[in-house]
Amino acid sequence: RKEVEQDPGPFNVPEGATVAFNCTYSNSASQSFFWYRQDCRKEPKLLMSVYSSGNEDGRFTAQLNRASQYISLLIRDSKLSDSATYLCVVTLTGFQKLVFGTGTRLLVSP
Amino acid sequence: EAEVAQSPRYKITEKSQAVAFWCDPISGHATLYWYRQILGQGPELLVQFQDESVVDDSQLPKDRFSAERLKGVDSTLKIQPAELGDSAMYLCASSADRSRGYTFGSGTRLTVV
Repeated sequence: RKEVEQDPGPFNVPEGATVAFNCTYSNSASQSFFWYRQDCRKEPKLLMSVYSSGNEDGRFTAQLNRASQYISLLIRDSKLSDSATYLCVVTLTGFQKLVFGTGTRLLVSP
Repeated sequence: EAEVAQSPRYKITEKSQAVAFWCDPISGHATLYWYRQILGQGPELLVQFQDESVVDDSQLPKDRFSAERLKGVDSTLKIQPAELGDSAMYLCASSADRSRGYTFGSGTRLTVV
């Protein structure tokens, strides 16, 4: 079983739609959680950290469920510019190794 | 905004040749990571440094890959000899405060022919 699992997609949605991605992780000792965005052939860039209390940044909402070991990302009012791959990332205990999911590809169409 | 510098951006090399990548993390960042990303997959950790010490190189193919961070600042990743399967994006990342996430460099795209 992979340490971090994501549906690779692609998710094809029209502009203005709401779309949600989920991610599950296997190590209950995972400490920190993030969503990264990666454009084609570019480096990953931090989108947002994820907290148990949930956090929101504009059109983006992230949620962590430690009991079920999953992380979610909700994008409201999708824009064409949201088209990218969204990587779920967790860090493990100790020296905080970053573990990535395979990413979920989002395509927003006009 | 501070950046993680990587060079070269692109590298084409022949199978069995040696190749090296360089990374300069954000000033003051003690933790430095080298990741490899094969097209269509998420990045996978090759090696992690804390200052000049290696803290995780369990996924580094040590028969052909080596990494160093001699003064705890910039770092070099070397492959010798390169194989066709090494074609990938090599990403360097650094971090000062783990709870705030990690900053990636723009990567080196390696093609082995």
